[in-house]
Amino acid sequence: KNEVEQSPQNLTAQEGEFITINCSYSVGISALHWLQQHPGGGIVSLFMLSSGKKKHGRLIATINIQEKHSSLHITASHPRDSAVYICAVKMSGGGADGLTFGKGTHLIIQP
Amino acid sequence: GAGVSQSPSNKVTEKGKDVELRCDPISGHTALYWYRQSLGQGLEFLIYFQGNSAPDKSGLPSDRFSAERTGGSVSTLTIQRTQQEDSAVYLCASSHGETNQPQHFGDGTRLSIL
Repeated sequence: KNEVEQSPQNLTAQEGEFITINCSYSVGISALHWLQQHPGGGIVSLFMLSSGKKKHGRLIATINIQEKHSSLHITASHPRDSAVYICAVKMSGGGADGLTFGKGTHLIIQP
Repeated sequence: GAGVSQSPSNKVTEKGKDVELRCDPISGHTALYWYRQSLGQGLEFLIYFQGNSAPDKSGLPSDRFSAERTGGSVSTLTIQRTQQEDSAVYLCASSHGETNQPQHFGDGTRLSIL
C-alpha cells in the first residue's frame, strides 16, 4: 500500500466547475504539500499545510490531521488549471527528510 | 537567476557511461533535494543536503549514485555505469532553512540511457 494515496487519478470537467482532489496518507507527518505540474514538467509548489486551511486565489487546501486526509479545491475552474496535481508529505518521527509523493491527479478542464 | 537552475536540460548517453547532473539552487537556500521522476513510478526522493552535508542519503537506489554539494550552493548528482532503468527526469529543489519549508523546483534533467 502506498503511503500517500490520491483520488481521482484522472478528472475531466467543464470550465467553471468546482473541483476537488483528495489525498490520504498512512504515516505521521509534519507537513503536507500540494504541487502542480504542467505538461513540459515544471513543478510549482501551491501550498504547504500542517493544519487547517489555506486559500490562494481560486485554490483552497484543507487538512484534517486526525483523519490523515487533505483536499485541494479549485473554484471556477479554467482550462489553464489543466495539469497534474501532486500531494506530498514530509514524514515525522525519523522518516526521510525529503518528500513522499502521491501518484498525482491528472486534471483536464474543457472549455 | 531567480529560480533553481538545472543542467543539462536533456542528456542522452549509452549504457555503461557515467553522467553528471548539475543543480544551482536559489541563492541563500541552505536545503537542497534531489528527486527522480520515472514513467510509472512517480516522484521519489533521492538525497537531501543541508549546507554541504548530506544527512539523508536514504533514497539513493544503488551505490552507482552519488551526490555532492560544495560551498553550500551548487550540487552535482553523479550516476556511474548507467543502466537503462536510470532513464528518468531528475529534479532538484531547494528551500530555506530546515526541511519543513516550501520547496522550489528546477525544470529537471531528462536522462535517456540507450
